[in-house]
Amino acid sequence: GAVVSQHPSWVICKSGTSVKIECRSLDFQATTMFWYRQFPKQSLMLMATSNEGSKATYEQGVEKDKFLINHASLTLSTLTVTSAHPEDSSFYICSALAWGSYNEQFFGPGTRLTVL
Amino acid sequence: GQQLNQSPQSMFIQEGEDVSMNCTSSSIFNTWLWYKQDPGEGPVLLIALYKAGELTSNGRLTAQFGITRKDSFLNISASIPSDVGIYFCAGQLPFSSNTGKLIFGQGTTLQVKP
Repeated sequence: GAVVSQHPSWVICKSGTSVKIECRSLDFQATTMFWYRQFPKQSLMLMATSNEGSKATYEQGVEKDKFLINHASLTLSTLTVTSAHPEDSSFYICSALAWGSYNEQFFGPGTRLTVL
Repeated sequence: GQQLNQSPQSMFIQEGEDVSMNCTSSSIFNTWLWYKQDPGEGPVLLIALYKAGELTSNGRLTAQFGITRKDSFLNISASIPSDVGIYFCAGQLPFSSNTGKLIFGQGTTLQVKP
């Protein structure tokens, strides 16, 4: 099956710094990727839809200037959390959409962000 | 916005027992999906349902896409300790207007006592 990787798998940073998370589709091209955030014991909440070659589409309530998304190639989308604060600490998960008969989303393993 | 109501929120069962969980929605979905998530990992697809009324099995797992397209259930038969985890339902919105976004249920935490 299709594989999606994320890097790093975990990161600890100081408040006020920026953190970049990468999402890669390893064996297929993905014109569309999605970024989710998951707080402990909660469900996945969609943050934004990342489209290759165009601006990301953000869900209501998600600050686009704080969560910068760049989908520069067909296999890579990046999420940058700018000026991170402790309340940004969460599990960030990406998925990549494989166009085809079933248009399935394949999920990455997630990135644990802890902001001190 | 769209919401999925998933129940039960948690289950604690004895090994060997059958498990059932379901999701309902006020919206119609084209596709229903069931995922399992282990701690610290991304969700893994268990079963995908594409047609109203469809009943699909994957080993000990069986899921159905409700006729109204607003609900789905997942059954796990003869549970084993490795079934422990969080199970999520997800509805996929139509591609025409929403680029196939997924809406997730709140999750069902399953614990299995050996």
